Amino acid sequence: DAGVIQSPRHEVTEMGQEVTLRCKPISGHDYLFWYRQTMMRGLELLIYFNNNVPIDDSGMPEDRFSAKMPNASFSTLKIQPSEPRDSAVYFCASSMDALSYNEQFFGPGTRLTVL
Amino acid sequence: QKEVEQNSGPLSVPEGAIASLNCTYSDRGSQSFFWYRQYSGKSPELIMFIYSNGDKEDGRFTAQLNKASQYVSLLIRDSQPSDSATYLCAVSRYGGSQGNLIFGKGTKLSVKP
Repeated sequence: DAGVIQSPRHEVTEMGQEVTLRCKPISGHDYLFWYRQTMMRGLELLIYFNNNVPIDDSGMPEDRFSAKMPNASFSTLKIQPSEPRDSAVYFCASSMDALSYNEQFFGPGTRLTVL
Repeated sequence: QKEVEQNSGPLSVPEGAIASLNCTYSDRGSQSFFWYRQYSGKSPELIMFIYSNGDKEDGRFTAQLNKASQYVSLLIRDSQPSDSATYLCAVSRYGGSQGNLIFGKGTKLSVKP
């Protein structure tokens, strides 16, 4: 398996623009997680899905952020409108089963810069 | 606010020495504890997890948990330059679950040849 795939790897945009980050989890994994990492705040869980259903979105910073998982092999994280403080590395991770101690596998991340 | 605290480092040790990484957490309800390694510019990867008080060994790595003191540590024996990375501690309120993980900001380890 190719592992978790994220696109784009780098995104530079201007304040106010819409940004869409994409993730393809490992086939057969039931759980998908979106994280954001910054120097100031470290690695933060934004939202996670189980079988395409959002389970906990309490980490989503505000209404400008939204995430969807239309099917088992694809998820998006959208920021609209983007702001400079959204600049961070966004990771997607997947795991087979959160209740059986299985490992979360992280994607390579998307480095977002909002000017 | 539930928090996970780590010394940011950098922690510098000579090759072959024992590296000791420490983590404290504020939520007494935390049930499961994880150590991730993150190389510069890369994504985190799980090294170990621990649920019960005491020690858990896996090769050169030993995780130690003391729930009464709300303290978890990672020991790396015979440190190698390839161990140079940032080590992230993460905790969860849910036994056996990796959902709702709260991460520390990480300790940067440098192993000098």
